[in-house]
Amino acid sequence: QVQLQESGPGLVKPSETLSLTCTVSGGSISGYYWSWIRQPPGKGLEWIGYIYYSGSTNYNPSLKSRVTISVDTSKHQFSLKMTSVTAADTAVYFCVRHTATVSWTFDYWGQGSQVTVSS
Amino acid sequence: DIVMTQSPDSLAVSLGERATINCKSSQSVLYSSNNKNYLAWYQRKPGQPPKLLIYWASTRESGVPDRFSGSGSGTDFTLTISSLQAEDVAVYYCQQYYSTPPTFGPGTKVDI
Repeated sequence: QVQLQESGPGLVKPSETLSLTCTVSGGSISGYYWSWIRQPPGKGLEWIGYIYYSGSTNYNPSLKSRVTISVDTSKHQFSLKMTSVTAADTAVYFCVRHTATVSWTFDYWGQGSQVTVSS
Repeated sequence: DIVMTQSPDSLAVSLGERATINCKSSQSVLYSSNNKNYLAWYQRKPGQPPKLLIYWASTRESGVPDRFSGSGSGTDFTLTISSLQAEDVAVYYCQQYYSTPPTFGPGTKVDI
């Protein structure tokens, strides 16, 4: 059974960089697309961006200038960096796997990591 | 971006009764070349991440009970739970994957 686990600081100061890592276990990171999705309190789900295991990326245009997603296949991990955060970036951040056959749906999710932006 | 809306915001249904959730997209998510609707449904139970229920608007993910069904085409879609069970209490989201970025509806909360 594929499992994803997010890790990283739960509190980030305004204007600083948010960094999260997702560790994949129980399955291969190769051959799949991997995304980050977030949910601010009281709001809907927002797709942040994806990385293919080979390293190609695609970001939500609304966040593209501030986001970098990277992958380390040897560690079975992929990571999110978001710069210049504000309170609006407070959210639960999920790492997810794209479904193999319907690539823009998401079949495995981490439990989510609460990130609060506050001084 | 394609904007997804859902109705109602919440609903309460008796055990064993039918629950119906509507989802509307700001533009068609039907791809004419393959006649497929690029629409998925997810279930999020309290304290858990979302779970994929349905894709292509009406295809159930493996292991999803057949009381869950999806229908609709173009811009208007419906998720139906034919006989609500206690374990179906959750927030349900629709998602379009016709164009990037993929976007989600705001969610519909289903209670007993």
